[in-house]
Amino acid sequence: GESVGLHLPTLSVQEGDNSIINCAYSNSASDYFIWYKQESGKGPQFIIDIRSNMDKRQGQRVTVLLNKTVKHLSLQIAATQPGDSAVYFCAETERGSYIPTFGRGTSLIVHP
Amino acid sequence: DTEVTQTPKHLVMGMTNKKSLKCEQHMGHRAMYWYKQKAKKPPELMFVYSYEKLSINESVPSRFSPECPNSSLLNLHLHALQPEDSALYLCASSQEADRGGQPQHFGDGTRLSIL
Repeated sequence: GESVGLHLPTLSVQEGDNSIINCAYSNSASDYFIWYKQESGKGPQFIIDIRSNMDKRQGQRVTVLLNKTVKHLSLQIAATQPGDSAVYFCAETERGSYIPTFGRGTSLIVHP
Repeated sequence: DTEVTQTPKHLVMGMTNKKSLKCEQHMGHRAMYWYKQKAKKPPELMFVYSYEKLSINESVPSRFSPECPNSSLLNLHLHALQPEDSALYLCASSQEADRGGQPQHFGDGTRLSIL
């Protein structure tokens, strides 16, 4: 079946840097995308979402970009902090469905 | 603190034991989910309840038995599990089950170890 994947399994940055986590998807019927953050010992936490009628959405220190032409999703974290260290999952949902398909995750390590 | 509460946080059981995992949410969500997650892997969907009815079973072995007693509670009954069933079991909920893509709210999971 179609899948959601990530380019980089581990991303290591210095505190204060900007981080970019990427996600590729192949299902052209996907119309809802979401990023989750999962800290050690915790469940995934919602960070930000975007629907396919948008190409950019901003939150507090986070921005999600959606490029439907190349089926690419990214999460940008500004001024990365040690508390941002976690595994980040993208997930996509096909039009008409409410069941997400998760990507394989990227581990973000922030060095103080 | 998460709005989805799971108990117990940790569970160790033998292969012949029977135990249950519990999940509770009071957000009025009408869709509830069980996921299994192995270390450093994404969550894998097991079951979905929509308006208290089982709507999706992702070919899960019968040694896992879900139950939804009411709209706020979700249980997962375990019996005769195998060592490969050791994992983090996550419960999640979302607002509606028929309105397309929406955020899921996850609990912090039950860490299950099978001896």
